[in-house]
Amino acid sequence: AAGVIQSPRHLIKEKRETATLKCYPIPRHDTVYWYQQGPGQDPQFLISFYEKMQSDKGSIPDRFSAQQFSDYHSELNMSSLELGDSALYFCASSPRQNSPLHFGNGTRLTVT
Amino acid sequence: DAKTTQPPSMDCAEGRAANLPCNHSTISGNEYVYWYRQIHSQGPQYIIHGLKNNETNEMASLIITEDRKSSTLILPHATLRDTAVYYCIVRAYNNAGNMLTFGGGTRLMVKP
Repeated sequence: AAGVIQSPRHLIKEKRETATLKCYPIPRHDTVYWYQQGPGQDPQFLISFYEKMQSDKGSIPDRFSAQQFSDYHSELNMSSLELGDSALYFCASSPRQNSPLHFGNGTRLTVT
Repeated sequence: DAKTTQPPSMDCAEGRAANLPCNHSTISGNEYVYWYRQIHSQGPQYIIHGLKNNETNEMASLIITEDRKSSTLILPHATLRDTAVYYCIVRAYNNAGNMLTFGGGTRLMVKP
């Protein structure tokens, strides 16, 4: 079965650079969620979209923005990167409200 | 969403049943109990969820007490590949885009 696809799998950036992470949800899933997981920490919710509109917002820095496109894929844009942004970034999708989230295998971002 | 309490770690012998407890004493009537697991650095994996009835699928069984204040996830025949962090999450049934909040979790170590 198709799963959530995230790209790239690994990304190395320098401080103050920008990064764009992409997420392709499972077909016919209309809701996308972004999570950040620092070393040794639990996944932290950043933001979610339902039918291309932002639906919930968590602890997402102002330097980050995200959107969901007409084909339901989503992008997380990160600017003025800091060393503390080094983390695993997971995307998840769900087919409808209140159904289980299915996660991708993440993008590992390293900021040097 | 209601807070959950889980033991930080547990061991289980390979081939035996693993019983992972979770307390959610402040759960509301519209909140489901979800279980996810995360194998090292992979995306969280959905296991099972329920409202008030016991549930079973190909991965596990979920036993919810009658007062809904606690639950137990049962892996009937644990294997080494079940070694992971298991998260019990209470999630409200409400408007679109409601996210999962990860916290704590139980680190299950399955031993030969």
